[in-house]
Amino acid sequence: SAVISQKPSRDICQRGTSLTIQCQVDSQVTMMFWYRQQPGQSLTLIATANQGSEATYESGFVIDKFPISRPNLTFSTLTVSNMSPEDSSIYLCSVDKGSEKLFFGSGTQLSVL
Amino acid sequence: AQSVSQHNHHVILSEAASLELGCNYSYGGTVNLFWYVQYPGQHLQLLLKYFSGDPLVKGIKGFEAEFIKSKFSFNLRKPSVQWSDTAEYFCAVKEGGANNLFFGTGTRLTVIP
Repeated sequence: SAVISQKPSRDICQRGTSLTIQCQVDSQVTMMFWYRQQPGQSLTLIATANQGSEATYESGFVIDKFPISRPNLTFSTLTVSNMSPEDSSIYLCSVDKGSEKLFFGSGTQLSVL
Repeated sequence: AQSVSQHNHHVILSEAASLELGCNYSYGGTVNLFWYVQYPGQHLQLLLKYFSGDPLVKGIKGFEAEFIKSKFSFNLRKPSVQWSDTAEYFCAVKEGGANNLFFGTGTRLTVIP
């Protein structure tokens, strides 16, 4: 199993500002994933973050908007840059512990005014 | 791109009723299929998964799902629900060999005691 701590759990931000979300795992993992869940929609993969390499972004997501750090095997950050109300969403960190089983953090509820 | 459809947005059942939640996907190749559950105030967690073999998969808490390749479906079932099954249920599909897990929009289940 994996215990994932995600901070902050929620935030209210002003348009044009940036927010960095932290994800800490209690064990070393190779692959960490960042998802977004917009109101009434599916979870959508933003990017895959592997330690020691650039994050791989899915279609529709770019590094300038969602820069990701992965400094070691237990930690990652996702920054939501130059926020607009359309970025209001739940952002989730997840890890793959093998056997194709994903573990999820509790999510960050972001509201942009 | 892969799409995952969960046609039931909100299901309300009385305790002991039988449950079936629909899930259909669009990809025609090899897929790995998952059901995740999110209990109120908790993280997403894996309920069950299918990779290969017996298309009837049994998961935790008495849940099962049946993969019907010809129908591109992976419906979730439970013969007798309990109040504690109240949660949001997400179907997810991964194309064989890919990282990206595509989620459905989720089905909220409310079980009335």
